[in-house]
Amino acid sequence: QQQVKQSPQSLIVQKGGISIINCAYENTAFDYFPWYQQFPGKGPALLIAIRPDVSEKKEGRFTISFNKSAKQFSLHIMDSQPGDSATYFCAASKMRYSGAGSYQLTFGKGTKLSVIP
Amino acid sequence: DSGVTQTPKHLITATGQRVTLRCSPRSGDLSVYWYQQSLDQGLQFLIQYYNGEERAKGNILERFSAQQFPDLHSELNLSSLELGDSALYFCASSVGLRENEQFFGPGTRLTVL
Repeated sequence: QQQVKQSPQSLIVQKGGISIINCAYENTAFDYFPWYQQFPGKGPALLIAIRPDVSEKKEGRFTISFNKSAKQFSLHIMDSQPGDSATYFCAASKMRYSGAGSYQLTFGKGTKLSVIP
Repeated sequence: DSGVTQTPKHLITATGQRVTLRCSPRSGDLSVYWYQQSLDQGLQFLIQYYNGEERAKGNILERFSAQQFPDLHSELNLSSLELGDSALYFCASSVGLRENEQFFGPGTRLTVL
């Protein structure tokens, strides 16, 4: 059972354009939604994260939009640059301390972004 | 650089063998997570340790086991290896149980021939 669905699988964007990657989750217990960026041969690097008490979070050129009722969230990369070419993963986990259990990340399948000059 | 180190970087072995992957978390982090990344399954959670104790298991095979030592480094043991175990294995660490920010190491690429 895939609890986090990510689309598209791949994305080609012109330099300066906006890259948009979408994710949908099923488990309503999730309350922490990070995005990771992974370059070939490297480990995933935390890019930006959001909690469901806000609908949007912006850090530089990266923005997460969150729709709690639709159980969807998306990553927007403004003014996309060739250096942004990487694979992006959305993820979800529990953050509210419940006294037990784990906070492991459930990942989407990833989106390979190519930004062409 | 995330501050999480993993050794070895590459590992090539044969079916039926046993290997050990090592992870050192960021300084001060008590939680260690292990993830497997393969082309067909993506990034999947295997197991988590917090301050030496197992906290959660995910899609980890019975042939796989892990432990976290008093100095907080962790080892993932993979035995009776099969071709399908070939994958990237990542370790991630976080400060504790309540903090979700997980920082990933560079990974170990395991190839089973």
